[in-house]
Amino acid sequence: NAGVTQTPKFQVLKTGQSMTLQCAQDMNHEYMSWYRQDPGMGLRLIHYSVGAGITDQGEVPNGYNVSRSTTEDFPLRLLSAAPSQTSVYFCASRERGSSSGRARSADTQYFGPGTRLTVL
Amino acid sequence: GDSVTQMEGPVTLSEEAFLTINCTYTATGYPSLFWYVQYPGEGLQLLLKATKADDKGSNKGFEATYRKETTSFHLEKGSVQVSDSAVYFCALKSGNKLIFGAGTRLAVHP
Repeated sequence: NAGVTQTPKFQVLKTGQSMTLQCAQDMNHEYMSWYRQDPGMGLRLIHYSVGAGITDQGEVPNGYNVSRSTTEDFPLRLLSAAPSQTSVYFCASRERGSSSGRARSADTQYFGPGTRLTVL
Repeated sequence: GDSVTQMEGPVTLSEEAFLTINCTYTATGYPSLFWYVQYPGEGLQLLLKATKADDKGSNKGFEATYRKETTSFHLEKGSVQVSDSAVYFCALKSGNKLIFGAGTRLAVHP
């Protein structure tokens, strides 16, 4: 298994440009998430998905769009890049939990290696 | 809402020193608690977790105990190594979401 993969690893954009950060997982996980990591602020949730065709907003969704047409892929789109979006972006996935005892084993999130984005 | 507070870094230690990184949380119910580690230039990896009160998570010599009475999940290691230098994140699972602390950078010197 490749786990969670992200492309590109590095990207520089000019203000106003658009781009898509790619994320894919081969573990058949239903849950996928996008986070941004900024110094001193930990990881903040941007958007997440609980399955194909279902997405929802996280803590900091403004300026980003997502879609989930397949279980494997969860791209993050920046519509019009701004310097405030300079950050490191992480994609993550995990199994679907349930109300049974198996739920706890599905708590673990698996992270991709990250995309470092700079907006000038 | 649910939140995680962890001690500010950086924490600088000599090799073989004892490590404690404090983490407290605010949450309704009994969330699962986690410690993730981020080595330089890499993504986050799960270090250990605990899913109910009094559970002790352990891995690679690190331990943390889920303390409901103090709402804490402090990370400890008896003898750190240079290779433990990384950023450590405490986190809790809230519904479908994982809520992270701000991270604590650990630097271990020979």
